[in-house]
Amino acid sequence: RKEVEQDPGPFNVPEGATVAFNCTYSNSASQSFFWYRQDCRKEPKLLMSVYSSGNEDGRFTAQLNRASQYISLLIRDSKLSDSATYLCVVKGAGSYQLTFGKGTKLSVIP
Amino acid sequence: GAVVSQHPSWVICKSGTSVKIECRSLDFQATTMFWYRQFPKQSLMLMATSNEGSKATYEQGVEKDKFLINHASLTLSTLTVTSAHPEDSSFYICSAGRTDSYEQYFGPGTRLTVT
Repeated sequence: RKEVEQDPGPFNVPEGATVAFNCTYSNSASQSFFWYRQDCRKEPKLLMSVYSSGNEDGRFTAQLNRASQYISLLIRDSKLSDSATYLCVVKGAGSYQLTFGKGTKLSVIP
Repeated sequence: GAVVSQHPSWVICKSGTSVKIECRSLDFQATTMFWYRQFPKQSLMLMATSNEGSKATYEQGVEKDKFLINHASLTLSTLTVTSAHPEDSSFYICSAGRTDSYEQYFGPGTRLTVT
């Protein structure tokens, strides 16, 4: 089983749509969780951290379910500029080491 | 703050030659830096972790004699791909870690093409 698994995608959605990405992780000792965004031929950039209580940043909402080892990202009112690959990332406690999912590609279509 | 640069941003080299990639933390000191590789449509895979002044720790399956890492100062780590082959063509990304927060900050990446 892969350490971090994501929806295979790609997701092609019209502007204004709501889209949800899912992710599961295998290491129950993982402590920190993130969604990164990666544009084509660029480095990954932190989109948001994910907390058990759920957190929202504008049109983006992230949720964490530790019992199910499941992370989600919801994007509302999709914009063309949201087109990118979204990476689910997991980190252990007291450690730098990040484990990346394969990513899910999102294309928002006019 | 927390800016990381990489140089070069892209490089094309002939098979059999060596290529050096530099990773610099511009506004903070990084005792730990990481080197990743990303093939098309694949995730970032950690190649090695380098600590300033000591030998790098390589992930399983990564040849340490082929991918030479030097972390001689708190702001600079280098990755040298020796005797490059076409299968080494990839996107190489470094990151630098801040000790106070255990956060990683990514460089912009280097696209290597070996012909």
